[in-house]
Amino acid sequence: GAVVSQHPSWVICKSGTSVKIECRSLDFQATTMFWYRQFPKQSLMLMATSNEGSKATYEQGVEKDKFLINHASLTLSTLTVTSAHPEDSSFYICSARAISNEQFFGPGTRLTVL
Amino acid sequence: AQSVTQPDIHITVSEGASLELRCNYSYGATPYLFWYVQSPGQGLQLLLKYFSGDTLVQGIKGFEAEFKRSQSSFNLRKPSVHWSDAAEYFCAVAYTGNQGGKLIFGQGTELSVKP
Repeated sequence: GAVVSQHPSWVICKSGTSVKIECRSLDFQATTMFWYRQFPKQSLMLMATSNEGSKATYEQGVEKDKFLINHASLTLSTLTVTSAHPEDSSFYICSARAISNEQFFGPGTRLTVL
Repeated sequence: AQSVTQPDIHITVSEGASLELRCNYSYGATPYLFWYVQSPGQGLQLLLKYFSGDTLVQGIKGFEAEFKRSQSSFNLRKPSVHWSDAAEYFCAVAYTGNQGGKLIFGQGTELSVKP
């Protein structure tokens, strides 16, 4: 089956630093990837849609200057949390859309900002 | 606006008992509906999906779901629960009716299984 990886699986950083999270589709190409945020015991909230070779589309209320998304290739999208603060601590999940239109999800990245 | 509601935050069932997880959606057009399972440390796994046709959908791991348009529901069922089914379950609807489009998730239902 289609596999999506995320790196790192967890990260702890100091307030004010930037953190980059990678999302890779390992055995298929994905022109579209999605980034979600999940708070403890809550649902997944879509942050943005990442399209290969073009700018990401952000959901209402998501700061695009804070959450930088780059989809430089058909197998890689990155989410950079700039100047992270404790309120940015969360579980970040990506998904990649295959040619079949089905979305495959990564295992998630736990971000803790001290 | 599209929305998905899972009324039960937490459900506990005994191993071997039947299971039904509820999901209601609000969507103007024909919905594309999904059920996902999330286990700790793992990504979301698709259990089943409904796009059109037969309203009773069979999925993996012995799960099934029934689409009822009149009730705007897409409840997930399993006749006999196994301890390994303990996980978080999410119902979702695809935005704009595009099965590959953005997903709106329900709040999730945490399933615990008693031995």
